[in-house]
Amino acid sequence: AQSVAQPEDQVNVAEGNPLTVKCTYSVSGNPYLFWYVQYPNRGLQFLLKYITGDNLVKGSYGFEAEFNKSQTSFHLKKPSALVSDSALYFCAVREPGRRALTFGSGTRLQVQP
Amino acid sequence: GAVVSQHPSWVICKSGTSVKIECRSLDFQATTMFWYRQFPKQSLMLMATSNEGSKATYEQGVEKDKFLINHASLTLSTLTVTSAHPEDSSFYICSARDQPNTEAFFGQGTRLTVV
Repeated sequence: AQSVAQPEDQVNVAEGNPLTVKCTYSVSGNPYLFWYVQYPNRGLQFLLKYITGDNLVKGSYGFEAEFNKSQTSFHLKKPSALVSDSALYFCAVREPGRRALTFGSGTRLQVQP
Repeated sequence: GAVVSQHPSWVICKSGTSVKIECRSLDFQATTMFWYRQFPKQSLMLMATSNEGSKATYEQGVEKDKFLINHASLTLSTLTVTSAHPEDSSFYICSARDQPNTEAFFGQGTRLTVV
């Protein structure tokens, strides 16, 4: 069964500093990996995905993520955090042949001015 | 990216009544739509997967007679919460995808409060 773990409930970072939001996964076969962001009382917005190809994936709003097969990780990163990046971030995985995503528990990112 | 519109954004209903939530893909044909439920400060839990023109596939523990899903066209899926009770109060989110290997796009969610 596919699963995702986001070990941190909350990440605090100062504006201008780099940020990392961690994600590890467990699937059978090669994974499809996604990051989404959720603002209060809103649906999820797609940030980036890894299907195949380069391990470093660049996405929206300056975010990027690195697929590490040996560590089964897909951490989200941004070189310089903005206060407006403060939101709830979800990592998601899908196994080939499965239709639905499985989401991690979410990590709340708080960027302090 | 593609746009998925969910309506209504919020609804308050009396216990025992039914509520219908619509999910529309505005600029693409959604062969598959998904319905999720999110409790406060928790992750999204998949309720069911629907394909246009066929019956929805429900996740274990989700009552199909209580949460009726209709995917009548390639751009519209509806979730009807029948005989709603306060414990059904939650944030319901739909998502849609047009091709198997593409990302899913999400509606803005519906906050249901049953009083």
